Formats: sequence, C-alpha cells, structure tokens
Amino acid sequence: KAGVTQTPRYLIKTRGQQVTLSCSPISGHRSVSWYQQTPGQGLQFLFEYFSETQRNKGNFPGRFSGRQFSNSRSEMNVSTLELGDSALYLCASRAFTGSYGYTFGSGTRLTVV
Amino acid sequence: TQLLEQSPQFLSIQEGENLTVYCNSSSVFSSLQWYRQEPGEGPVLLVTVVTGGEVKKLKRLTFQFGDARKDSSLHITAAQPGDTGLYLCAGVRGGTSGSRLTFGEGTQLTVNP
Repeated sequence: KAGVTQTPRYLIKTRGQQVTLSCSPISGHRSVSWYQQTPGQGLQFLFEYFSETQRNKGNFPGRFSGRQFSNSRSEMNVSTLELGDSALYLCASRAFTGSYGYTFGSGTRLTVV
Repeated sequence: TQLLEQSPQFLSIQEGENLTVYCNSSSVFSSLQWYRQEPGEGPVLLVTVVTGGEVKKLKRLTFQFGDARKDSSLHITAAQPGDTGLYLCAGVRGGTSGSRLTFGEGTQLTVNP
C-alpha cells in the first residue's frame, strides 16, 4: 500500500511570506501528526489531527496552524515566515490515536531566505 | 528543553564491532520507540517497547526498556555498513484522545567497511 505522501519535497520562500504544506496519510489512517526537524532542536511535535479535529498541540507560535479534511489529508500552514522556520517538516500517520504504528513521510524541506 | 537524552551523539565504528546507544529521561513514558532515519527521508519505526523491563530482538538489534520506563537502550551486534544512519529514540505520551512523540537528539552511526 502507498506510504505517507508529502508535497512539495522542497520549497524556498522569502521572509514574511506564508507557506502551505500537504500530507496524504496511508489509506485508512485517520490520525496525522506534524513534526519540525532542525539540526539544533531535533524533531519537535507541532500538532496532531484526528477526524478533522486538532487533538494535541506542541509549543509553537500561532503562526503555525493546520487542518485536516474529511478524507484525512492534512495541510500545515506557516504565516509570516522567519529565517528560523527553515527546517524539514515531517508528517506521520497512524490508524487511530491509540495506535503505536507511526509511519512518516519523506518530509518537505523548507528554506526561508 | 530536551526530555530525552541520547548518547553518544556520534559513533564511528568498524564493520563487525558491537555498539550500544542509550536513551535516558527523568520522565515516565507510556511506551518508547526507536527509529532509524536516512538522509533526505523520514524516520522509520524499528520497534515499540511498552512494558518495563521488556527486551525485544530484531535480528542483530536488541532493544531494552528500563524497569521504571524512563530509559532504553539499543544494542547492535556485528554492525554492518548498512546499519549506518541516524538512530532516534522517542517517548510516547498521551492516550486515545491524542498523543505525541518526544524525540531524543539522535545518534549518528557510521559503520566503516
């Protein structure tokens, strides 16, 4: 079965712009989580969605937001981009919120210049 | 604040050697997971340990969860160049209403032929 698909793979944006990243989970998976990975901070949790509702949120400013659609696909939006937002953004899906089996996508590499 | 301390951060060994990676925390997790990540890709789940004292074996890899569910180790026997990668431990917190992974900083392993 197809894995977790994240688009685009690479993105270059200018400071102050906004960006939207997309994640399509494994078919049948209803929970989608987002993580930010940087060399300095490692992997940090952004938020988790299940059945179109945000179930959990990490310690990130309000510029970071997300949503989930009825087909479980999820989008993440970052507004007013800062240089420090440059990172690999990873999406992970699992069947339901109590499942241990996280499957990560290959990520979107965002560079802010 | 990094809740999971991983050591060592970097490890370079010769093919055939054994190694152990440690993951320690002052907090209790409901379960702990180990991932391996290769450049340009998302982390891939290797194992989930749930019960204090649990030991799981995956071919040449042995995973252990501490009795108090605060620490874990990964032991690789007779390492091979194909084992090269970033190894990440992740503590799981939460329940059926939503959960998050808290990652360690990672151990970059290089196995030289």
